[in-house]
Amino acid sequence: DSGVTQTPKHLITATGQRVTLRCSPRSGDLSVYWYQQSLDQGLQFLIQYYNGEERAKGNILERFSAQQFPDLHSELNLSSLELGDSALYFCASNRDREKLFFGSGTQLSVL
Amino acid sequence: DAKTTQPTSMDCAEGRAANLPCNHSTISGNEYVYWYRQIHSQGPQYIIHGLKNNETNEMASLIITEDRKSSTLILPHATLRDTAVYYCIVRAANQAGTALIFGKGTTLSVSS
Repeated sequence: DSGVTQTPKHLITATGQRVTLRCSPRSGDLSVYWYQQSLDQGLQFLIQYYNGEERAKGNILERFSAQQFPDLHSELNLSSLELGDSALYFCASNRDREKLFFGSGTQLSVL
Repeated sequence: DAKTTQPTSMDCAEGRAANLPCNHSTISGNEYVYWYRQIHSQGPQYIIHGLKNNETNEMASLIITEDRKSSTLILPHATLRDTAVYYCIVRAANQAGTALIFGKGTTLSVSS
């Protein structure tokens, strides 16, 4: 158990819909990272938050957004969903320069 | 701009040592070599990292060549549970607070 909690574990929705994925980092971790993993693209970094502020952006689509709340949990919002957004979404956290700890992921299926 | 090159796949017999190579010929002096692995559909898991000296922990050993252009991750006694994708990542010390960028990794299959 990495200490990073992601909910829900599975999510099935339809094209055009909007969903929210939630991540609770390890206790005390200020940084949260979101990754997307699809079969053809591998693990892609989306976005990083540090203590409530956006720190870095990767390959995140404009239809996707994220935020980190004062209690340090984070949410990834995916809107106008397309079939190609079906993927595993991972959250990771760390403090300072420590190694990353990953959650068990949310499997999103867009039908 | 891939910094590392790994074989796509490798096989290993259970109980034998698994030696996973990684080429990082353009590595800079301040860049560390990190290894993570991902067991099927689970989140990636940290294994080990090093700068220039060989490193060992409870999971594996990391052997870095003297010129630092390549390294080998060694799982001394592979088990079926070591079947996973293994990622070799090079990153500078001053990037330690940033995201890891994953390549395609090596799929290790351990069989009985």
